[in-house]
Amino acid sequence: EIVLTQSPATLSLSPGERATLSCRASQSVSSYLAWYQQKPGQAPRLLIFDASNRATGIPARFSGSGSGTDFTLTISSLESEDFAVYYCQQRSNWPITFGQGTRLEIK
Amino acid sequence: EVQLVESGGGLVQPGGSLRLSCAASGFAFNTYNMNWVRQAPGKGLECISYIDSSSFIIYYADSVKGRFTISRDNAKNSLYLQMNSLRAEDTAVYYCATHQWDPWGQGTMVTVSS
Repeated sequence: EIVLTQSPATLSLSPGERATLSCRASQSVSSYLAWYQQKPGQAPRLLIFDASNRATGIPARFSGSGSGTDFTLTISSLESEDFAVYYCQQRSNWPITFGQGTRLEIK
Repeated sequence: EVQLVESGGGLVQPGGSLRLSCAASGFAFNTYNMNWVRQAPGKGLECISYIDSSSFIIYYADSVKGRFTISRDNAKNSLYLQMNSLRAEDTAVYYCATHQWDPWGQGTMVTVSS
């Protein structure tokens, strides 16, 4: 099973700041890495697929990069609605696995 | 518009059974592979089962293998999860998602408790 480790566990920032979230895989997942945003009481929402492709309707301030084992989600300038939990997911091998999440909170 | 609606959750005693359904609309269901994902209260996400469009390829997470069965009815645009021998640790919100993972259903809550 591929283990995804996200860092940091919690990130405290202010609106307008840049957020950088990391996801490291225990073995290569090529570019089969996705990022999700989840708010309380809601289902996860796909932000990025195949490491760097924005999903439909996702604002340009969200970007993804990386390949192999190291990946980054960047939010260029935080809006109030961006404060949530973010998960990475690998689709390279079964079982499909998720990271433990990064909580992005308002400073 | 792609829409997934889960149903069938509820309160069940340990050792009991439940059958979850996922009704799909707005896309060609019979060409999409499907997944079940669960999230225990306050915890992260776990992908527990996968079925391809023709039901030829099926996978389960070790945590549910031998107890849960995924199936689909393409004529009814529906996905199912038969859950037997339920345990307290199966308590979670259960989501269905296509192989495109966008969007997910709203989820259905399963609580296993005496």
